[in-house]
Amino acid sequence: AAGVIQSPRHLIKEKRETATLKCYPIPRHDTVYWYQQGPGQDPQFLISFYEKMQSDKGSIPDRFSAQQFSDYHSELNMSSLELGDSALYFCASSLGHRVGTEAFFGQGTRLTVV
Amino acid sequence: GENVEQHPSTLSVQEGDSAVIKCTYSDSASNYFPWYKQELGKRPQLIIDIRSNVGEKKDQRIAVTLNKTAKHFSLHITETQPEDSAVYFCAAKEGKLIFGQGTELSVKP
Repeated sequence: AAGVIQSPRHLIKEKRETATLKCYPIPRHDTVYWYQQGPGQDPQFLISFYEKMQSDKGSIPDRFSAQQFSDYHSELNMSSLELGDSALYFCASSLGHRVGTEAFFGQGTRLTVV
Repeated sequence: GENVEQHPSTLSVQEGDSAVIKCTYSDSASNYFPWYKQELGKRPQLIIDIRSNVGEKKDQRIAVTLNKTAKHFSLHITETQPEDSAVYFCAAKEGKLIFGQGTELSVKP
């Protein structure tokens, strides 16, 4: 079965550069979530989209923006990168938003800022 | 804002013993409570979940209980095995999924 696809899997950027992370949800899933997980920490919710509209916003820095496109894939744009942005970034998708449905996680993008 | 508290942060048991991890949540609108197992550098893997209209659910050696009145839920692993060693996260969902702080479970042979 198709899973959530994230690209790239690994990314190395220098401080002050920009990065774009992509997420392709499971077909027919209408909701996408973005999480940031630092070493030894729990996944922190950044932002989510339902039917191409922002549905919830968490601890996403102003330097970051995201959107969900007409084909339901999502992109997380990160500008003015800082060393502290180095983390694993997970995308998850689900069918339905405010209902008790399972969220399926992608394999993550490991971002290293040097 | 919404908050999920998880205890303990580390748990060490002998192979064959049981392990219990507890979580409390703050948002009474939460209606879905999954538990994830995460190995180093890998994605969270769902191991069991429970919805708000159910008090208990079991899947082989794993069980979860939910007390909506008290807003807490627990994971029970029986007959633990060394391959159960990992970090376990609870989460609560109403729209977005909010994670607990994680429990590092170590099962010693």
